[in-house]
Amino acid sequence: DGGITQSPKYLFRKEGQNVTLSCEQNLNHDAMYWYRQDPGQGLRLIYYSQIVNDFQKGDIAEGYSVSREKKESFPLTVTSAQKNPTAFYLCASSIGTSGVLLGELFFGEGSRLTVL
Amino acid sequence: GDSVTQMEGPVTLSEEAFLTINCTYTATGYPSLFWYVQYPGEGLQLLLKATKADDKGSNKGFEATYRKETTSFHLEKGSVQVSDSAVYFCALLTGANSKLTFGKGITLSVRP
Repeated sequence: DGGITQSPKYLFRKEGQNVTLSCEQNLNHDAMYWYRQDPGQGLRLIYYSQIVNDFQKGDIAEGYSVSREKKESFPLTVTSAQKNPTAFYLCASSIGTSGVLLGELFFGEGSRLTVL
Repeated sequence: GDSVTQMEGPVTLSEEAFLTINCTYTATGYPSLFWYVQYPGEGLQLLLKATKADDKGSNKGFEATYRKETTSFHLEKGSVQVSDSAVYFCALLTGANSKLTFGKGITLSVRP
């Protein structure tokens, strides 16, 4: 079945450590996204990529980094510079890179990161 | 800038009740509008969309009409079920931003 796979589902990190969240898709979608979800704040865009080897900062990119070396993979690294990393992280993809297709996102099941 | 405002939650209803979840927006140009749903422990799923004024999106018994005059896209369902318990997000997309802007979401709980 086609879809987006995020791993791990739960992750615990000590302060000062970097951690990488995996996102893989087999939908052959061009665009991929990382969102952060906090209670009562909705979804905030961290980074997005519309093509391999290219990505753009979203609204809250500070303290995060990404890479897009392959079309199907878009890992997110939460660095020690991120002041409040405890959150639910969602990866998404869209088949289109323009027009209304940009709004039709397919989401993974999320990764919950807790900093101890 | 573009923004989406959703009504304050949470909302608790009895099964078979009528549901309305309000959503209003501020945007430059002519946005496309979306409703996403997030069931417990899962990612979001696209529920419905509308791309121009007076369009009605519908899916799974839910409906929403794109009202340009009131800049609204309220979600409605005539008879909710326990399985509709979830978080609902309104979102907009404009050509200027080329990315979705989400509202804060609202939690719906339906009692048997």
